[in-house]
Amino acid sequence: QSVLTQPPSASGTPGQRVTISCSGSSSNIGSNYVYWYQQLPGTAPKLLIYRNDQRPSGVPDRFSGSKSGTSASLAISGLRSEDEVDYYCAAWDDSLSVLVFGGGTRLTVL
Amino acid sequence: QVQLQQWGAGLLKPSETLSLTCVVYGESFSGYYWSWIRQPPGKGLEWIGEISHSGSTNYNPSLKSRVTISLDTSKNQFSLNLTSMTAADTAVYYCARRPSSWYFMGAFDIWGQGTMVTVSS
Repeated sequence: QSVLTQPPSASGTPGQRVTISCSGSSSNIGSNYVYWYQQLPGTAPKLLIYRNDQRPSGVPDRFSGSKSGTSASLAISGLRSEDEVDYYCAAWDDSLSVLVFGGGTRLTVL
Repeated sequence: QVQLQQWGAGLLKPSETLSLTCVVYGESFSGYYWSWIRQPPGKGLEWIGEISHSGSTNYNPSLKSRVTISLDTSKNQFSLNLTSMTAADTAVYYCARRPSSWYFMGAFDIWGQGTMVTVSS
């Protein structure tokens, strides 16, 4: 239903590297920057990645972003229990003239 | 330290108008767009719209006919009005800031605490 498609869930074990995908189209990811957010329960989202692969000050380098064509990915290495929250991707859509978000991915640390 | 503090009514009846205000502490409006984003319970994020320091606005086309975002520089605050509220508008509403440049379109680096708005008769 969301313009950007994310898997509803992902999982990994402590210390592992996991990736979360975000699939779009030529009008959004294919032609604009991708942003990633982390959201703890009951709190506002926190910016993790901007302009596809840039980390704001204070975001650990365990988090990295990449983009290829009409898809993007968020990678989390050295998985920790506190990473067990929700993640959202976002991009501007030129056709819809709106900022669109993915439906979100809930990460489980096993 | 920049902070956004938002306030407004949390319970509305169908057809009423939502009015939320976000006060900006520690920063001027210049150089940023000031935005509203909402999140229905248990669901994802939806961008509502934004306003620049000069008053230029961008709105989500799906809400454009009902939305007004305004700026009051004398009070360092910006506001959201959403008319004709229905149960489908029930959500947590957030205010947020992003740098003005186009390549920061989705880079909301500072957020308000969120306001739960419920529409019910």
